[in-house]
Amino acid sequence: DAGVTQSPTHLIKTRGQHVTLRCSPISGHKSVSWYQQVLGQGPQFIFQYYEKEERGRGNFPDRFSARQFPNYSSELNVNALLLGDSALYLCASSPMRTASGNTIYFGEGSWLTVV
Amino acid sequence: AQSVSQHNHHVILSEAASLELGCNYSYGGTVNLFWYVQYPGQHLQLLLKYFSGDPLVKGIKGFEAEFIKSKFSFNLRKPSVQWSDTAEYFCAVNPNNNAGNMLTFGGGTRLMVKP
Repeated sequence: DAGVTQSPTHLIKTRGQHVTLRCSPISGHKSVSWYQQVLGQGPQFIFQYYEKEERGRGNFPDRFSARQFPNYSSELNVNALLLGDSALYLCASSPMRTASGNTIYFGEGSWLTVV
Repeated sequence: AQSVSQHNHHVILSEAASLELGCNYSYGGTVNLFWYVQYPGQHLQLLLKYFSGDPLVKGIKGFEAEFIKSKFSFNLRKPSVQWSDTAEYFCAVNPNNNAGNMLTFGGGTRLMVKP
């Protein structure tokens, strides 16, 4: 079975530009979450989507947005990129909305460099 | 808001040495607890998880962790490390409040095992 797949794996953007990152969850998983991992730090929660609705939002500015499609895949959008947005963006999927009794699986991430 | 502390940022051990990585969290309610490992160039993988019941949890690759509620701790242990355990280890907490599966991660501990 395929794991959580993310695209692109690496990309370079210029300050002020917009970026869209994509995630396909494990088949049968309805929950998708996004995390930002800055070099040398642990991942930080950005969003959770479950059944196409936002179920949680971390402490990130409105430049960050996301959506989930009917097939449960998801996009993370970041507008007006700043140098500080350079990070590894991780997508995680799980079968259910809550963590109890579930395993949360992570993809390999999308490395974003803003120059 | 909850937080997770991993006090050991870097640990260097020789093969066959015993390992204990500390994890403390701040959250007043019941929690789900996780340890993830990130091998060089690979994605986050779940080592073990605690939801309820026996506070001593066994995971993959000989790892175990003990939940001590009174100390708000979930330390990771392995009796005898191998060179292949060289990786970064992350502790994560999810409030068991039926709100979602958001994980709050610690800053990570880089483990280097010398052959």
